[in-house]
Amino acid sequence: SQTIHQWPATLVQPVGSPLSLECTVEGTSNPNLYWYRQAAGRGLQLLFYSVGIGQISSEVPQNLSASRPQDRQFILSSKKLLLSDSGFYLCAWRTGGDSPLHFGNGTRLTVT
Amino acid sequence: SQQGEEDPQALSIQEGENATMNCSYKTSINNLQWYRQNSGRGLVHLILIRSNEREKHSGRLRVTLDTSKKSSSLLITASRAADTASYFCATGGLGGSQGNLIFGKGTKLSVKP
Repeated sequence: SQTIHQWPATLVQPVGSPLSLECTVEGTSNPNLYWYRQAAGRGLQLLFYSVGIGQISSEVPQNLSASRPQDRQFILSSKKLLLSDSGFYLCAWRTGGDSPLHFGNGTRLTVT
Repeated sequence: SQQGEEDPQALSIQEGENATMNCSYKTSINNLQWYRQNSGRGLVHLILIRSNEREKHSGRLRVTLDTSKKSSSLLITASRAADTASYFCATGGLGGSQGNLIFGKGTKLSVKP
């Protein structure tokens, strides 16, 4: 069966520090991968998605970047965190078309 | 930008009662999906309804879709305390876009035992 791993679960980082969140998927090949951010009491904002290795589409221009170095690995990064980067970050995958999204358990990021 | 908007924002009911949540959206869609999120966790897919479908059932869940009104409803029958969670609708655009399921802000459901 397919599983998705996302870590760390929580992270507290100072303003200006770098960020690296990692997400891996097991049990499937060539998944579509997604990074979402959820602010408190808000819906999900799509940040990046990828349909293949090295292919990244950005939905919202901002302080973050994403990379897909391997088929089932998706990384969210920042060189210098801002206070506004605080939030709940969710990685997700699906097979494509109108298939459902499968989410990781999220990373709670607090930038202080 | 937000596509789906859930209503109400919060709902509190007693165990055994039915819970109805509504979702409105703005543009034409290919499908609409409902997800559940327990506090501090990722979202879990509940049900998908396509634009050519009007009603779908899954266990205690019933989803309707009215494309003329651009709205959908999620009914949870005989609710349980374990149904306490936030529920989100997400719309998939026409053309099978790889990216974009657009999520609403969610309805926070509280089921009291």
